[in-house]
Amino acid sequence: AQSVTQLDSHVSVSEGTPVLLRCNYSSSYSPSLFWYVQHPNKGLQLLLKYTSAATLVKGINGFEAEFKKSETSFHLTKPSAHMSDAAEYFCVVSEVRGSTLGRLYFGRGTQLTVWP
Amino acid sequence: NAGVTQTPKFQVLKTGQSMTLQCAQDMNHNSMYWYRQDPGMGLRLIYYSASEGTTDKGEVPNGYNVSRLNKREFSLRLESAAPSQTSVYFCASSYTGTPSYNEQFFGPGTRLTVL
Repeated sequence: AQSVTQLDSHVSVSEGTPVLLRCNYSSSYSPSLFWYVQHPNKGLQLLLKYTSAATLVKGINGFEAEFKKSETSFHLTKPSAHMSDAAEYFCVVSEVRGSTLGRLYFGRGTQLTVWP
Repeated sequence: NAGVTQTPKFQVLKTGQSMTLQCAQDMNHNSMYWYRQDPGMGLRLIYYSASEGTTDKGEVPNGYNVSRLNKREFSLRLESAAPSQTSVYFCASSYTGTPSYNEQFFGPGTRLTVL
């Protein structure tokens, strides 16, 4: 069974400081993993994805995530937060085989606040 | 390309009324999805269509029906709206052929309030 746990429902950082949003997953097979971002009153935008190539994945706007199979984690990081990063972030897992191929399973989201 | 489009953007219904949410994609994707988003719950899958002519239930299908009208269009119908269906509804699409292509693209959402 697939599931995603986002370990923090809210994260607050000061502008210019590092961002860490934590995500753990469970999956029956080797998964695809994604981070999506949702700005207020907007749809979801793909930030980055892991599909069994390099374990360190770079995304848009300076974000990156590292796939750690031994820890079943896919944490999202950014070296220096910007005010425009304030949004809700979703960690998502997808199976790569079987009857549920293509379906996404969402975490509950982490709200990132960036203070000036 | 417009991507994924949804209509309407906002809707207010009274309990018991019916309505259909429309979704269309112009990316030639074979799979389409309907989600609902509630505070603190992430997105939950209502129904999906893996390919034209097929539909399947997701996590929360009760009170909804869907129609995959053609490859481009996938509609969601509420037959008798209830206050518990107040939510933001997102349509998404993807090309589901190999693992690396199962990124989903989302529409802008429909904000539905049921009084």
